Amino acid sequence: DAGVIQSPRHEVTEMGQEVTLRCKPISGHDYLFWYRQTMMRGLELLIYFNNNVPIDDSGMPEDRFSAKMPNASFSTLKIQPSEPRDSAVYFCASTRPGYNEQFFGPGTRLTVL
Amino acid sequence: DAKTTQPPSMDCAEGRAANLPCNHSTISGNEYVYWYRQIHSQGPQYIIHGLKNNETNEMASLIITEDRKSSTLILPHATLRDTAVYYCIVRVASGSGGYQKVTFGTGTKLQVIP
Repeated sequence: DAGVIQSPRHEVTEMGQEVTLRCKPISGHDYLFWYRQTMMRGLELLIYFNNNVPIDDSGMPEDRFSAKMPNASFSTLKIQPSEPRDSAVYFCASTRPGYNEQFFGPGTRLTVL
Repeated sequence: DAKTTQPPSMDCAEGRAANLPCNHSTISGNEYVYWYRQIHSQGPQYIIHGLKNNETNEMASLIITEDRKSSTLILPHATLRDTAVYYCIVRVASGSGGYQKVTFGTGTKLQVIP
């Protein structure tokens, strides 16, 4: 299995631009998680999906952030407009019932100038 | 989630056992102790989990005290590749109805020294 796939691995953009991060979970996993990691705040859960439905988005910082999961094999996290304080590493993870671990992708390092 | 307390950093000599402590004094009866680690620039990686008995796998051993208020992750023969941040987390195991989201704290930064 290829594991969780994220793209792009690195993204540099200017303040005000729209940013879209992509995630492909492991096949057969019906839970998908988006995390953000910064030095100041550590690893934070932003939102998670079960069977493509958002279950808990209480960690999404504000309306500029949105996440979708149109099908079982693809999810996006969009930031519009982006701000410098959004600079972080964004991780996607997946799992399924019966698994006690989450499988993390390699992350997307976002830099907003 | 029950809160956990871990030392911010530890050093360990290469080839020696690394013992990483975690306090979770408010753990509930149905909550498990999980350990993950994050090697620099990578996503977190699951290591091991347990409820009340000691557990061992190919990566590590987990020792949970009888009152379950603390635990220790043991890497029996630490290598340079074990240098990472180690997170101790408590949560209900999956399959218990729904999914309890995982909250990562700040973890322990383990430095394995040659």
